[in-house]
Amino acid sequence: DAGVTQSPTHLIKTRGQQVTLRCSPKSGHDTVSWYQQALGQGPQFIFQYYEEEERQRGNFPDRFSGHQFPNYSSELNVNALLLGDSALYLCASSPPRGSSYEQYFGPGTRLTVT
Amino acid sequence: GENVEQHPSTLSVQEGDSAVIKCTYSDSASNYFPWYKQELGKGPQLIIDIRSNVGEKKDQRIAVTLNKTAKHFSLHITETQPEDSAVYFCAAKTDGGTSYGKLTFGQGTILTVHP
Repeated sequence: DAGVTQSPTHLIKTRGQQVTLRCSPKSGHDTVSWYQQALGQGPQFIFQYYEEEERQRGNFPDRFSGHQFPNYSSELNVNALLLGDSALYLCASSPPRGSSYEQYFGPGTRLTVT
Repeated sequence: GENVEQHPSTLSVQEGDSAVIKCTYSDSASNYFPWYKQELGKGPQLIIDIRSNVGEKKDQRIAVTLNKTAKHFSLHITETQPEDSAVYFCAAKTDGGTSYGKLTFGQGTILTVHP
């Protein structure tokens, strides 16, 4: 049973560019959450998708947007990249409501903005 | 919003000793408290969790305790081994209406177990 997968593993972009990160949830999971983890810090919640809609959002600007597809996979898009966007981007998936509260993380995508 | 404070930021122990990491949270509505272990270059791995209606939970060498009145919870690792060396994060889940609930993380504890 595959866990949460993310692609790409690493990415280098230039300031002002746009980036798309991808996530496939664990089998049987239908909710996807995205987190940003700066070096030496805990993950920070960006937003969460369920039934192809954004359900909750953290304190991130509109440059950060996302999408969830009918197969529950998800994308995170960041426009007009800033140097401060350099971080590890983590995707976490959760089982259907009522079964448990657990969130399982993928290995992350390391984004470097130069 | 929720705020989670984690202490200590670094913890060094000898193999076989116990390790304790403590967290406090601010939102009394938080109802779920997971602990994650993160090794270098990897995503956080869920190691144990506790719901707000439970005071203690144990899984082999790992245990978590929750004091809802004081709004703090702790991770206890007994008989530590070198492979326990990693960064540990506590988190608290707060619901957001129709959402599943977001996790708010502590700042992390770097645990080093010396052979």
